[in-house]
Amino acid sequence: DAMVIQNPRYQVTQFGKPVTLSCSQTLNHNVMYWYQQKSSQAPKLLFHYYDKDFNNEADTPDNFQSRRPNTSFCFLDIRSPGLGDAAMYLCATSREEQRGSGEQFFGPGTRLTVL
Amino acid sequence: AQKITQTQPGMFVQEKEAVTLDCTYDTSDPSYGLFWYKQPSSGEMIFLIYQGSYDQQNATEGRYSLNFQKARKSANLVISASQLGDSAMYFCAMREGFRWDDKIIFGKGTRLHILP
Repeated sequence: DAMVIQNPRYQVTQFGKPVTLSCSQTLNHNVMYWYQQKSSQAPKLLFHYYDKDFNNEADTPDNFQSRRPNTSFCFLDIRSPGLGDAAMYLCATSREEQRGSGEQFFGPGTRLTVL
Repeated sequence: AQKITQTQPGMFVQEKEAVTLDCTYDTSDPSYGLFWYKQPSSGEMIFLIYQGSYDQQNATEGRYSLNFQKARKSANLVISASQLGDSAMYFCAMREGFRWDDKIIFGKGTRLHILP
């Protein structure tokens, strides 16, 4: 089945130790998104790509970076995680041709714990 | 000012009853889209329904319908004949504009509990 896959589902890292979260998709969608969702809060968009065109949200901390080496994969790098970065990180995809409809397909998320 | 407001942090509803989840929005852009997503305890976000600002009719998808009142800037989600599996967090969201880089903004959500 076509889907959005996130690995790992749970990630534990130490304060200040770089961590990379990965997302892959078999939907062949040209738009990919990374969201951060803290407990009992709404998802907050960090970055999104249309193919390799990158859009960084203005309030995304410099500590967060992203890479999209090809259509299928997208990575979220946190260079020096702080305690405040503990959250669920959601990856999503959509087809740009669905202009306006905005249906996004989400992965199951990676829950990041910072010790 | 908040772009998306969901005034019900939590709701308890008896199984088989209809449910209305409230959502109001704020935008001056004539082109926008409104969405509802469901997030079960497993964490995955599930798209439910979409309404475009130029759509003349209210959107429906199975048991879900969107009560779109443009003048009131309201986009309430109606779930008919609720089921135990409907227990989840529900997010209303809006996208101002129809470009790929027009971001989607989520409301704070409503946690729905369906009682047997």
